[in-house]
Amino acid sequence: AQTVTQSQPEMSVQEAETVTLSCTYDTSESNYYLFWYKQPPSRQMILVIRQEAYKQQNATENRFSVNFQKAAKSFSLKISDSQLGDTAMYFCAFMKQGKFYFGSGTKLNVKP
Amino acid sequence: EAQVTQNPRYLITVTGKKLTVTCSQNMNHEYMSWYRQDPGLGLRQIYYSMNVEVTDKGDVPEGYKVSRKEKRNFPLILESPSPNQTSLYFCASSLTPGGPYQPQHFGDGTRLSIL
Repeated sequence: AQTVTQSQPEMSVQEAETVTLSCTYDTSESNYYLFWYKQPPSRQMILVIRQEAYKQQNATENRFSVNFQKAAKSFSLKISDSQLGDTAMYFCAFMKQGKFYFGSGTKLNVKP
Repeated sequence: EAQVTQNPRYLITVTGKKLTVTCSQNMNHEYMSWYRQDPGLGLRQIYYSMNVEVTDKGDVPEGYKVSRKEKRNFPLILESPSPNQTSLYFCASSLTPGGPYQPQHFGDGTRLSIL
């Protein structure tokens, strides 16, 4: 089975600053997908960004970008210009052929 | 409105009393999945379905059953619930798992308490 590790249970960042959330995973697969999901206090699960393992280029979505290091099995999320609405739990996820594995989450607090 | 609908939203029941959590999507999605969320453990996949009549075990399938008789519905069945199945449950769907511009749409969650 694959494992996904998020080593930062909780982080804080000042509004407008940049923060990086860490994620590592363990797999013997070569082709897979990686995701970051956001869960605000409303409990809704929202996709933030996705990365296909065969693509070397790091994915970006507006203020969100990833640093994908395939050899190191690392998939960190960078949030630039943090906003109060970014306060949420963030989950890293690995997927292969429909089977998903999630990390335990990082709680991000954005302070005014 | 595109949505994944789960029912009930909240349920308190007793050990051994069979229950079903329904999940329905109106987006003609092929892929559907069930997860449970527990504090400190993140989300764990219970079962998933790539298409009608095709279901596969996720990471934690023990104690659960599913069926996919039609594309829009994917009920989660607890034949004999036990207290360790007390959790927050999410159903999700997407056209394909992980495809570009095809995020999983999640339901609002079902809070189950098994006494």
